[in-house]
Amino acid sequence: SAVISQKPSRDICQRGTSLTIQCQVDSQVTMMFWYRQQPGQSLTLIATANQGSEATYESGFVIDKFPISRPNLTFSTLTVSNMSPEDSSIYLCSVEAGGWSGELFFGEGSRLTVL
Amino acid sequence: AQRVTQPEKLLSVFKGAPVELKCNYSYSGSPELFWYVQYSRQRLQLLLRHISRESIKGFTADLNKGETSFHLKKPFAQEEDSAMYYCALSRGANNLFFGTGTRLTVIP
Repeated sequence: SAVISQKPSRDICQRGTSLTIQCQVDSQVTMMFWYRQQPGQSLTLIATANQGSEATYESGFVIDKFPISRPNLTFSTLTVSNMSPEDSSIYLCSVEAGGWSGELFFGEGSRLTVL
Repeated sequence: AQRVTQPEKLLSVFKGAPVELKCNYSYSGSPELFWYVQYSRQRLQLLLRHISRESIKGFTADLNKGETSFHLKKPFAQEEDSAMYYCALSRGANNLFFGTGTRLTVIP
């Protein structure tokens, strides 16, 4: 299994500001995934981050709003830009277990509240 | 388009009673389905996958393509089963589409 650390675990942010969430994995992984879980909603995939290439965004999510970095095989960041209250969510980093198994390991999540 | 429906947001059962968490899906391809669980103050984790046809912690789930369902079942619920359960559909390459989840409470 992979151990995933996310920072910050929670934050309260002002409207219009940006926040970067960090995700560190204790082993090298090819693909990292960023999910969003809005209050009372399910997890929604924002984007898939591969090392050495641009992230692949899901429908409804754009790079200008959610820029992602993937500088190496153990680290990624997600920035939530120009935040509004609608961005208040839990943001989760996840990695594949290995191969195509459907098993993902998740971080503890970063709970953002935008005022 | 894919869809995963978990009709019950909340489900309460008594300890020792059978439990069934419902999941229905819509997907044009060949589905791969999973159940994920999140216990209190723990991370979301895989419970079981349909392709393995395994029983984990007494839970089983059978893929019914005719009814497009993947219900999670356990014959005798335990207090430690109280958690949030998510049904998920794979769209390939570990790209998972999650349902809205069911919060199971097992009453002592």
